[in-house]
Amino acid sequence: EDKVVQSPLSLVVHEGDTVTLNCSYEVTNFRSLLWYKQEKKAPTFLFMLTSSGIEKKSGRLSSILDKKELFSILNITATQTGDSAVYLCTQGGSEKLVFGKGMKLTVNP
Amino acid sequence: DAGVIQSPRHEVTEMGQEVTLRCKPISGHDYLFWYRQTMMRGLELLIYFNNNVPIDDSGMPEDRFSAKMPNASFSTLKIQPSEPRDSAVYFCASSSPPRGISSGNTIYFGEGSWLTVV
Repeated sequence: EDKVVQSPLSLVVHEGDTVTLNCSYEVTNFRSLLWYKQEKKAPTFLFMLTSSGIEKKSGRLSSILDKKELFSILNITATQTGDSAVYLCTQGGSEKLVFGKGMKLTVNP
Repeated sequence: DAGVIQSPRHEVTEMGQEVTLRCKPISGHDYLFWYRQTMMRGLELLIYFNNNVPIDDSGMPEDRFSAKMPNASFSTLKIQPSEPRDSAVYFCASSSPPRGISSGNTIYFGEGSWLTVV
């Protein structure tokens, strides 16, 4: 059965800190790994990763995939209170996306 | 584009009542997904459709849950009879097919329907 595991499940940091979120997966017919950010409402798309070793960047956020070791990391540098959210990782082995439980990040001023 | 539209946004109902949640996917998207989110279990896929046809309903918790997609622009998720343990946020999401074997697919979520069964 396809599986996604995120760690840590929650994290509290201070503004300006750098955080690294981890996502490991087991999936047959891997196509892509996606990261979403969920504040109070719907998850919003951050990154899609399909190839190993190629970093995707968007401002202070970046992500990379390791298809050999079956994991991905999401980095957030110089965190701000607006980064407080639940970060979800999902693998797209098919059209059916299986999500991890999410990682709750709290950034304190 | 208006995005995925769900209704109602919030619903409080009594145990035993029928609940119907509605979803309008993004125009042109071939896939529609119903997810349920709780603190304990995270985001769980209940069922998904491709071109209005149910493909995988293995996540539907029990016979009290049913979903339909009568056309490309509308889907419903029904719970009858509802129970307190059904209280959750129900998300509808849609996507278009991946363009290639390695491209994957990005799904877009609605704002969710927050259901409380008392």
